[in-house]
Amino acid sequence: DIQMTQSPSTLSASVGDRLTITCRASQSINNWLAWFQQKPGKAPKLLIYKASTLESGVPSRFSGSASGTEFTLTISSLQPDDFATYYCQQYSTIGTFGQGTKLEIK
Amino acid sequence: QITLKESGPTLVKPTQTLTLTCTFSGFSFSTIGEGVAWIRQPPGKALEWLAHMFWNDDKRYSPSLKSRLAITKDTSRNQVVLTMTNMNPVDTATYFCARIRDSYAYGSYWGQGILVAVSS
Repeated sequence: DIQMTQSPSTLSASVGDRLTITCRASQSINNWLAWFQQKPGKAPKLLIYKASTLESGVPSRFSGSASGTEFTLTISSLQPDDFATYYCQQYSTIGTFGQGTKLEIK
Repeated sequence: QITLKESGPTLVKPTQTLTLTCTFSGFSFSTIGEGVAWIRQPPGKALEWLAHMFWNDDKRYSPSLKSRLAITKDTSRNQVVLTMTNMNPVDTATYFCARIRDSYAYGSYWGQGILVAVSS
C-alpha cells in the first residue's frame, strides 16, 4: 500500500500569510495527487489534481507543486475563508489520503 | 448540475451488514469514463478511501477492507450501492460518495455524507 505522510498536522497563520503544506508518498505516484479543503461538517472540496492543476473555480492563490515523491500545497495570501483542514490524496493506486493539516487562525 | 446523495441506516448493530446507496444526477454510467467512489471519515479523523467502480464495471477495493466490502451499480437508477459486512464500533464514521472520472480515482463532486453509528 502507498502511504501518504502529510505535515504539519496543525498550522497557525494569519490573514495575508503565505504558507505551504507538504505531503510525501512512500513510493512513486507519477504526480497522481490531489489536494482537498474540508470545513467542519462539510464534504471535502477538490482544489488541485495531477499535483499542480487547479480545479475550475478555485482561487489562483492556491497552487500545487511536485518534486519526486514530495508534494506541496501553497496558499499565497491567506484569506479568512481558507481556515479549514487540508488533505492530500494519491490516486496512483486505490486512493490513500494524508492525515490532514488543520489550518488555524493565529 | 452534478449532485450526489448518500442514504441508508444511521445506526447499525455490531456484526450487522451496512448497506448504503449513493443516488446521483448530472452524469450517467452510460457515459464512458464515469465512476463513483465511497470514502469514509471517523469523527475527528482523516478520510479513508473504501472502494470505487467505473462505468465498465471496473471495481477496486481498499486492501485492508476488501473482504468486507462489495460495490455494485444500477445504471438505470443512477445509483451505486456499498455493502460492508460485520460492522464494528470502529466503523462509526461519516460515509461519503463522490464522482470520479476517466480512470482517475479522485472525487471531483461529493455528496453531503451520512453519519453511521455502530452500537448495540
